[in-house]
Amino acid sequence: TQLLEQSPQFLSIQEGENLTVYCNSSSVFSSLQWYRQEPGEGPVLLVTVVTGGEVKKLKRLTFQFGDARKDSSLHITAAQPGDTGLYLCAGGMGGNKLVFGAGTILRVKS
Amino acid sequence: EAGVAQSPRYKIIEKRQSVAFWCNPISGHATLYWYQQILGQGPKLLIQFQNNGVVDDSQLPKDRFSAERLKGVDSTLKIQPAKLEDSAVYLCASSWLAGGFRISYEQYFGPGTRLTVT
Repeated sequence: TQLLEQSPQFLSIQEGENLTVYCNSSSVFSSLQWYRQEPGEGPVLLVTVVTGGEVKKLKRLTFQFGDARKDSSLHITAAQPGDTGLYLCAGGMGGNKLVFGAGTILRVKS
Repeated sequence: EAGVAQSPRYKIIEKRQSVAFWCNPISGHATLYWYQQILGQGPKLLIQFQNNGVVDDSQLPKDRFSAERLKGVDSTLKIQPAKLEDSAVYLCASSWLAGGFRISYEQYFGPGTRLTVT
């Protein structure tokens, strides 16, 4: 059983469309991180959110941490082919220990 | 600065054989992690080192997996004997420190070693 459930598992969209990826859990986390992983590479950190209700923006990406620190969302505006990849959320358990979700595979077609 | 280095990048072995992976973290990073990422899943922590001491190895299958970080710098992960279900990408990551409850430090990942057990 995954501690963190990500949805959808797979998303294929056209360039210019908007999308949202969700990360849900019944557990409370000290922090929530989002990573992007490309084939043959390790995950690369996009953002860390630590406060319930926190919203962070990174260019066309908007990240939100739920008020109860159990869930998070990633919204991409006007997706581009370069956004293609595996998006992973990871819950912080303290001591820098992370629990990862299974990921969302995003494919943006030009 | 140089990133996390891992070798080999790919390895194919038969079941019951042994295999070893090597990781060199970012210079100065005290904490080192080994993860197993099975196709279609997120990375699962196998073991976490702080300098040369083990912080967490609760998910390491100790009957066949072992890891060491003798001098507190580079690390090796060994599987002996390998099983078919060990086929996965093995990721090494490092961070500045282990952090506290509400403090997190970015984990920097290497490119991984793709292991295929036949």
